[in-house]
Amino acid sequence: GQNIDQPTEMTATEGAIVQINCTYQTSGFNGLFWYQQHAGEAPTFLSYNVLDGLEEKGRFSSFLSRSKGYSYLLLKELQMKDSASYLCAVRGLPTGANNLFFGTGTRLTVIP
Amino acid sequence: GAGVSQTPSNKVTEKGKYVELRCDPISGHTALYWYRQSLGQGPEFLIYFQGTGAADDSGLPNDRFFAVRPEGSVSTLKIQRTERGDSAVYLCASSLTGDPQETQYFGPGTRLLVL
Repeated sequence: GQNIDQPTEMTATEGAIVQINCTYQTSGFNGLFWYQQHAGEAPTFLSYNVLDGLEEKGRFSSFLSRSKGYSYLLLKELQMKDSASYLCAVRGLPTGANNLFFGTGTRLTVIP
Repeated sequence: GAGVSQTPSNKVTEKGKYVELRCDPISGHTALYWYRQSLGQGPEFLIYFQGTGAADDSGLPNDRFFAVRPEGSVSTLKIQRTERGDSAVYLCASSLTGDPQETQYFGPGTRLLVL
């Protein structure tokens, strides 16, 4: 079947680097998205990968390996405001080529 | 508007009642999606509109759930005979054309509580 796995919770120190992993098993693939979601708010787009490799955008980078069904989100120079849930989502599952299939999210806590 | 808006922001209802949730997508976006998010979970796909038509409603859990988008802009998600298990945050998202590589932009959601 299809599945997306992410760690449930992570803790990291302000100013440090943290890597959030995501593994997926799908029968179709049209790209992988990372979203940030603060408590009680809507998910906001962070990054998109459809080809293998690293996409860098400021303090955030995302990596994809399609052959391994694996992605990670890298956050550098962590700030307190980065405390949030980070959602990995894959597009192109049997639920529909346009729809996003989300993991349960990783709750990141940044401590001083 | 500047982003996706949803009303009401919160809705409390009693089991068995009917509710309507509204979504205003970003102006000019032809694709509109509804998701449902339970506490501690990621959003779960419900239905996707391309223009006025439901291109994919495979995520609707049962026939108590229905959605419309009569003019290709605003959409309404309708839930009949609500059950306590329907309690969740209902998220709406839109994208420009529905191309799979496009970003979906989410609204703030409607928090539905069924007592």
